[in-house]
Parts: sequence; C-alpha cells; structure tokens
Amino acid sequence: QSALAQPRSVSGSPGQSVTISCAGTSSDVGTHNYVSWYQQHPGQAPKLMIYDVNERPSGVPDRFSGSKSGNTASLTISGLQAEDEADYYCCSYAGSYTWVFGGGTKLTVL
Amino acid sequence: EMQLVESGGALVQPGRSLRLSCAASGFTFDDYAMHWLRQAPGKGLEWVSGINWNSASINYADSVKGRFTISRDNAKNSLYLQMNSLRVEDMALYYCAKASRDAFDFWGRGTMVTVSS
Repeated sequence: QSALAQPRSVSGSPGQSVTISCAGTSSDVGTHNYVSWYQQHPGQAPKLMIYDVNERPSGVPDRFSGSKSGNTASLTISGLQAEDEADYYCCSYAGSYTWVFGGGTKLTVL
Repeated sequence: EMQLVESGGALVQPGRSLRLSCAASGFTFDDYAMHWLRQAPGKGLEWVSGINWNSASINYADSVKGRFTISRDNAKNSLYLQMNSLRVEDMALYYCAKASRDAFDFWGRGTMVTVSS
C-alpha cells in the first residue's frame, strides 16, 4: 500500500489551466478505473470532485476534468478561479477492498 | 439532508484503546459501503478501513491491520472503529465517509484522536 505520487504544489493565474498528476502502479491506477479526486479547503472536510477517473458528481463545475494514461491519472482545472485554491488529493482502488491516496497537491491561484 | 457525525475522539496514552462512532442520517445507510479515513495534523489523507453494506467485505490499511476493527449496525445507522494498541502515529483527525462507485462521496467533519503520554 504505497502512496500515489503527486507534486507537492502547482500554481496558476486566474483563467489559466493547471494539471495535477497522480502516479501509481500497475496494482492500483494502472489496473482499476476507480480513480477519484478530492478538494480540501483549510479546516474543511474533503469534497469529491471526480470519480471513476473522469466522472463529475452533480454540482461540480465542468472546469474540473479527469483522465488516466497507464499508471498515471491527472486532474485538470481549466478557467482557474480564486476559490479553486485548495489541497487536492487523488485516490485509487488498489484491489482486495483497499484504497490508496496520493500525498496531496497544494494549488495556489496567483 | 445527509449527515455523518463522528464521535469518540479523545486524548489517550500509547497502548490504550478507543472506540469511534459515526452516526448517519439522510440516506439509506444499509445501501452503502462505509469507510474510515484519517488525516494527521498538517499531513495528507490516509484510507484506514472499509466495510461493505452487509459487513461481508472488510479490510484495513497495513498500518492498522491487527489493531483496528471496523463494524457497523445497520439497525442503528451507525459505523464504528475499535482502535486498540494505539500508537503516537495514529494521532489524527478521523473521518467517516459514505462510499459510492468506489469513491468517498460524502464525509463527516471528523473526530480528533490524540495519542500522547
């Protein structure tokens, strides 16, 4: 159960796009299409933003999109807004009823 | 309105035990798998344990296997986490979360577990 690898921080200006990567292995991201992404603002509980690699829950803006290639998943946020500044975590099903998270990425909107 | 309310967090000494509870409302509890996740102060999220709707599927993170036990009471709409042999590294904010499509689609606000002598 090794953590997925995410960049510690990314940044972008309002209106720009940013992509956060999430590198796993053939045992988790590479095998299962159950990658999810969570947004966490300081002092708040995490919020589901993407599930099943690229599906958005109701209420999540379509500026948020997910993808996967091989063992790496990605979250892209287009048209950056100030309120997007938060920590983002990826998560993957890892088989045998276990899940693994990435270490988290701090998004700064410049 | 969907709600998950965790309770039971406390300050405990290393080696002691603690039982966390999560009270669910606003959805059909026994339709969904439930999970415990945690976040150490200033650190990232960690999946701790999960249980499916009828308790037939259960598993744990390697870091807690053999020490923690997850359970649920569908009649009481409640999820539990029995934590034994607590270690300093177990200190964290513990969240319960509802699962849907192998993602955690709703989270409680968490309950804090502090392990210190």
